[in-house]
Amino acid sequence: QKEVEQNSGPLSVPEGAIASLNCTYSDRGSQSFFWYRQYSGKSPELIMSIYSNGDKEDGRFTAQLNKASQYVSLLIRDSQPSDSATYLCAVIQNQAGTALIFGKGTTLSVSS
Amino acid sequence: DAGVIQSPRHEVTEMGQEVTLRCKPISGHNSLFWYRQTMMRGLELLIYFNNNVPIDDSGMPEDRFSAKMPNASFSTLKIQPSEPRDSAVYFCASSPSGGAGETQYFGPGTRLLVL
Repeated sequence: QKEVEQNSGPLSVPEGAIASLNCTYSDRGSQSFFWYRQYSGKSPELIMSIYSNGDKEDGRFTAQLNKASQYVSLLIRDSQPSDSATYLCAVIQNQAGTALIFGKGTTLSVSS
Repeated sequence: DAGVIQSPRHEVTEMGQEVTLRCKPISGHNSLFWYRQTMMRGLELLIYFNNNVPIDDSGMPEDRFSAKMPNASFSTLKIQPSEPRDSAVYFCASSPSGGAGETQYFGPGTRLLVL
């Protein structure tokens, strides 16, 4: 059973700062990694996916992957109060590359 | 286009009662997933279907849980009999073909409370 670990937080940052969210995974063979955002009382929504080592940028979001260290992170630049949410890290669970296993999430709070 | 639709949005029932949760995936999506979310265990995959066929049900906690997908536009998750430990938010998600890396689109969830 693959495992995905995240610090539950809360992670508190001031508006405009960089928020850094981290995730480690147990299965060295994992190939696909995802970050979902979940607002309180709402459903998860995909914000980033990353498949190869290095950085992937999308607007204020940067996903970083280090397969040797089995580590994936999400950086949020210029954090806004609207970024306050729980961020879930997920990896592909099975050989077919379909099912996701999720971490328990890190709660981010951005103060204005 | 409508997203994933789930019903009911909230369900309160008593221990021992049967509970049926319903999901309508996004039209044209061939893969459907049922997840359960609790504070203790986080978001867990229960079962997923591809082209209406159950592919992996290893996440279904026990025989009290069953899921069906009689056609491409409808799925049910049934708990019989329900127990207080089943209290959770149950999400349904769908994706176009279930391929690796595809975005899964989540429904709003059903909040289940078993007394």
